[in-house]
Amino acid sequence: GAGVSQTPSNKVTEKGKYVELRCDPISGHTALYWYRQSLGQGPEFLIYFQGTGAADDSGLPNDRFFAVRPEGSVSTLKIQRTERGDSAVYLCASSLTGTGFNEQYFGPGTRLTVT
Amino acid sequence: AQTVTQSQPEMSVQEAETVTLSCTYDTSESDYYLFWYKQPPSRQMILVIRQEAYKQQNATENRFSVNFQKAAKSFSLKISDSQLGDAAMYFCAYRTFQGAQKLVFGQGTRLTINP
Repeated sequence: GAGVSQTPSNKVTEKGKYVELRCDPISGHTALYWYRQSLGQGPEFLIYFQGTGAADDSGLPNDRFFAVRPEGSVSTLKIQRTERGDSAVYLCASSLTGTGFNEQYFGPGTRLTVT
Repeated sequence: AQTVTQSQPEMSVQEAETVTLSCTYDTSESDYYLFWYKQPPSRQMILVIRQEAYKQQNATENRFSVNFQKAAKSFSLKISDSQLGDAAMYFCAYRTFQGAQKLVFGQGTRLTINP
């Protein structure tokens, strides 16, 4: 079956602009995660959804970052007033449920460049 | 908070030889999961192997095996019979056993396979 997909693959935006990054999880997966991977670093957790609700948003760096998952499937990560420091690869992952051990399957990421 | 450290930014190995990637972590928990992920240039994180902390037996998946030393908080990955397709970034990751589902990643090790 289809894996996790993310669009766009690459996004270039100017400083101060608003961007939306989309994640389509594997069908039937109730848990969805966003991570941010800066150049030369490992991914850092941003937010975790169980169904439609954000179960853990402790990784969001500030109030410019917001994510939604209104129907419990597709999720959108929204970044307002982008800054050059927001440049990174944004990875999305999904798992069957958020409890017990369930493997997280990752998408290919969106590379965001803020100029 | 848990931390994961990979002290080898880069490693190289001859094709068909064996290589070991190091990982240490810090936690006050007694139950948790540890993972090794592979990230090729396509950016998609792929699960290589996992270890449950309550299991004393080291996990093995074909050519990949781990050396899990719980008391030392060490979790190394051994790749036997290295193949050109093994070239990638490798990330060690930690996940708590219950509660928060987020993965905590190390900084990564870039593995090069020399033909």
